[in-house]
Amino acid sequence: SYVLTQPPSVSVAPGKTARISCGGNNIERKSVHWYQQKPGQAPVVVIYYDTDRPSGIPERFSGSNSGNTATLTISRVEVGDEADYYCQVWDSGSDHVLFGGGTKLTVL
Amino acid sequence: QVQLQQWGAGLLKPSETLSLTCAVYGGSFSGYYWGWIRQPPGKGLEWIGGINHSGSTNYNPSLKSRVTTSVDTSKNQFSLKLSSLTAADTATYYCAKSPGYPGGFDIWGQGTLVTVSS
Repeated sequence: SYVLTQPPSVSVAPGKTARISCGGNNIERKSVHWYQQKPGQAPVVVIYYDTDRPSGIPERFSGSNSGNTATLTISRVEVGDEADYYCQVWDSGSDHVLFGGGTKLTVL
Repeated sequence: QVQLQQWGAGLLKPSETLSLTCAVYGGSFSGYYWGWIRQPPGKGLEWIGGINHSGSTNYNPSLKSRVTTSVDTSKNQFSLKLSSLTAADTATYYCAKSPGYPGGFDIWGQGTLVTVSS
C-alpha cells in the first residue's frame, strides 16, 4: 500500500524559511494537499493540489511536488506558524485517502 | 460559506458502537465527498472513510469491517457508525468535505472527542 513519509519535527528561527517534506513513491503523479493543525483545533488546508493556496492563507505558504518528494515551504516564518503539518493524497489505485504522519514545526 | 456541525456520544464502553452525525449548512450537499477522519490523543490523522452524495462509499482497510457511513440528503446530513469499540478507538473524530478524488478536505467539523472506557 502507498505510504507518505514526513519528518517528525522541523525547527526554524523566526524570519527564516521552513521546508517540510512529504515522501512517497512517484508522488509527483499525485495531487498533494497540506494541512496546518494547531493544538485543540481542527486541521486547516494551507496548500491544495500541490501548489494552490486557498483564500486567506498567506503568500508565505507555498508548495511543490517533484519526483518522490512534495514540499511545503513557509517563508519568513512567524511564531504563529508553529503547528503540526500533515500532507495528504488520494491513492487512485485503491481509492483510499492517505495522510502523512505529520511534522511538528517549532519556531525557535 | 459551507459549515459542518457534528455531534454524537462522547463516552462509550468497549464493544459498543460509535455513532456520529455531521450536518452541512450554507451550501450544496450534492457533488461532494463527505469524509470522516480521526486523531488519537497526541497522534496523527487517520482517514476512516467516506461517502459521496449518491451513496458510494470507501473505507480504510484497517477499519472496513467495523465502519458504516450513510447520507440523508433530505436533511443535508451524513453519519458514521463504528462497531466493536476498544480503547484503541479513543480519538477525536472529524467530519470533513472534499470535492472528491483527487481533492483534499477544505472544510472540517469542530471535532468530537470519543472516549472508550469501561
